[in-house]
Amino acid sequence: ETGVTQSPTHLIKTRGQQVTLRCSSQSGHNTVSWYQQALGQGPQFIFQYYREEENGRGNFPPRFSGLQFPNYSSELNVNALELDDSALYLCASSLYRGVDTGNTIYFGEGSWLTVV
Amino acid sequence: DAKTTQPPSMDCAEGRAANLPCNHSTISGNEYVYWYRQIHSQGPQYIIHGLKNNETNEMASLIITEDRKSSTLILPHATLRDTAVYYCIVRAGGGGANNLFFGTGTRLTVIP
Repeated sequence: ETGVTQSPTHLIKTRGQQVTLRCSSQSGHNTVSWYQQALGQGPQFIFQYYREEENGRGNFPPRFSGLQFPNYSSELNVNALELDDSALYLCASSLYRGVDTGNTIYFGEGSWLTVV
Repeated sequence: DAKTTQPPSMDCAEGRAANLPCNHSTISGNEYVYWYRQIHSQGPQYIIHGLKNNETNEMASLIITEDRKSSTLILPHATLRDTAVYYCIVRAGGGGANNLFFGTGTRLTVIP
């Protein structure tokens, strides 16, 4: 049990639609990141939020966007869904204290998105 | 971030120690070595991480060579529930970055 919770656990969307996935960070964690994991592959970093600002992004197009709220919870939004967006979407949280001492990063169980 | 090389698969007898190797020959001085595992269809589970010194916790031990170019994750008494894909990740320090590069990992199968 990591204390990172994600919703919904499973959902099906149609190509071209938009989707919002939600993440509640472990209590006290101020940094959240999102990952996409296609079937049979390792997770790929999408982006990271710290103090409600995006401060790191992987190789994903702008139709992948996010938000971090004052309580450090987060959303991942994907517009204009494509079939290849079908994947497990993972949220991870950690506490950054201003000095990197190798913070521990905890993952949620993910949201399974199927685009048809 | 430095990339890592892991064997694609390994077997281990139940009750024996599982030693999972990882090469990270391009690691920089401020980069940490992290280990995660993922059981089918679940989120990655944090195991352990370290910078220079060997580390041990309730799950595993991490042995980092003196030149830091490789490391070994040791599960002291493997059980069937340890069957999973194990990822060795090198992450740069600074800025609280959570961008972990997972690679393909090692699929560990614990055999009864």
